[in-house]
Amino acid sequence: TQLLEQSPQFLSIQEGENLTVYCNSSSVFSSLQWYRQEPGEGPVLLVTVVTGGEVKKLKRLTFQFGDARKDSSLHITAAQPGDTGLYLCAGPTTGNQFYFGTGTSLTVIP
Amino acid sequence: NAGVTQTPKFRVLKTGQSMTLLCAQDMNHEYMYWYRQDPGMGLRLIHYSVGEGTTAKGEVPDGYNVSRLKKQNFLLGLESAAPSQTSVYFCASSASGGTEQFFGPGTRLTVL
Repeated sequence: TQLLEQSPQFLSIQEGENLTVYCNSSSVFSSLQWYRQEPGEGPVLLVTVVTGGEVKKLKRLTFQFGDARKDSSLHITAAQPGDTGLYLCAGPTTGNQFYFGTGTSLTVIP
Repeated sequence: NAGVTQTPKFRVLKTGQSMTLLCAQDMNHEYMYWYRQDPGMGLRLIHYSVGEGTTAKGEVPDGYNVSRLKKQNFLLGLESAAPSQTSVYFCASSASGGTEQFFGPGTRLTVL
């Protein structure tokens, strides 16, 4: 059982469409991070959300941290082929352990 | 700055062989991590270190050992490789717990 479950696992959309990726847990996190990973490379941090209910925007990407700090979402507006990649949520637990979500593989078709 | 580097990039082992993966970072980070990535599983933490000379078990530590003799290096060892250890291994470092992790390019390991 994964501590952080992401949905959907795979997503294939046309350029210009909107999409939302979800990251859910039964545990409370002090913060959650979102990373993007491209084939053959390591993940790269997109954003960190810390406060329950927090919304952060990064150009066409909007990140939200749930009020109870157990879930997060990533919304992409007008997706572009450059958004293609594996999106991972991640967060620390007590004792310095760090968990990553199961990942959402996004393909944006031109 | 090279950031985080990993060697080797690819390796094929036979069952029962041993090997060591090397991770090096030049950002003076305290924390270092070893993950494995398998399809549909995201990244799973194997072992981590919160400073030179310290190591701790992560989510999937069995079959692996680590050492952090120098602050900039974190070694991952497989004493007797098994096919279940076929995976892509990533090393990462961060300034402290919960802060941004910087990843290496990964090592693709196949155990036959």
